Amino acid sequence: NAGVTQTPKFQVLKTGQSMTLQCAQDMNHNSMYWYRQDPGMGLRLIYYSASEGTTDKGEVPNGYNVSRLNKREFSLRLESAAPSQTSVYFCASNTGAAEAFFGQGTRLTVV
Amino acid sequence: RKEVEQDPGPFNVPEGATVAFNCTYSNSASQSFFWYRQDCRKEPKLLMSVYSSGNEDGRFTAQLNRASQYISLLIRDSKLSDSATYLCVVNRPGANNLFFGTGTRLTVIP
Repeated sequence: NAGVTQTPKFQVLKTGQSMTLQCAQDMNHNSMYWYRQDPGMGLRLIYYSASEGTTDKGEVPNGYNVSRLNKREFSLRLESAAPSQTSVYFCASNTGAAEAFFGQGTRLTVV
Repeated sequence: RKEVEQDPGPFNVPEGATVAFNCTYSNSASQSFFWYRQDCRKEPKLLMSVYSSGNEDGRFTAQLNRASQYISLLIRDSKLSDSATYLCVVNRPGANNLFFGTGTRLTVIP
């Protein structure tokens, strides 16, 4: 009963390095989301995908790219990491207007 | 105006107290409403959905006021374990996604 699985759980990058955060869900959900959460702040939507093959920008998309590889997987890529991208990243999924389920988060530090 | 707005708090209340949080939303066409709970450094988890007629789950009561476009969460007989951040969530009609409020931090004090 995995739900939403994110990898990695922790990552330290140097400024300018690239990396991809992976997310997979096994609940057959149509929509998937990437959020970031900074200390003491709420969730901010980076990108979302309402269905396989579609992606849309959220509130804070700059510096990120996404791929909806198939219905199960939605990846987030940082092409050139910056210290301002130090954050906790959450992936979530749902269908329609139903409740969303979250992964456990990826704690990213860019030095 | 933000899609979803919450009082960030913090709310510091003694054990046994009753505390209420409100959340306003901007899109009158929104149809789904939720309260999530987030513990420190953990992922948000669904606390309860909010139905038009209001609903209760133990010590927790959620209400929806469509005319004024706000939802509320009432916690009775607060426990230390209720200390967390409570997030208000509203769907965005037509765009097939959810909007999260910034959360209200609750600390229950012994």
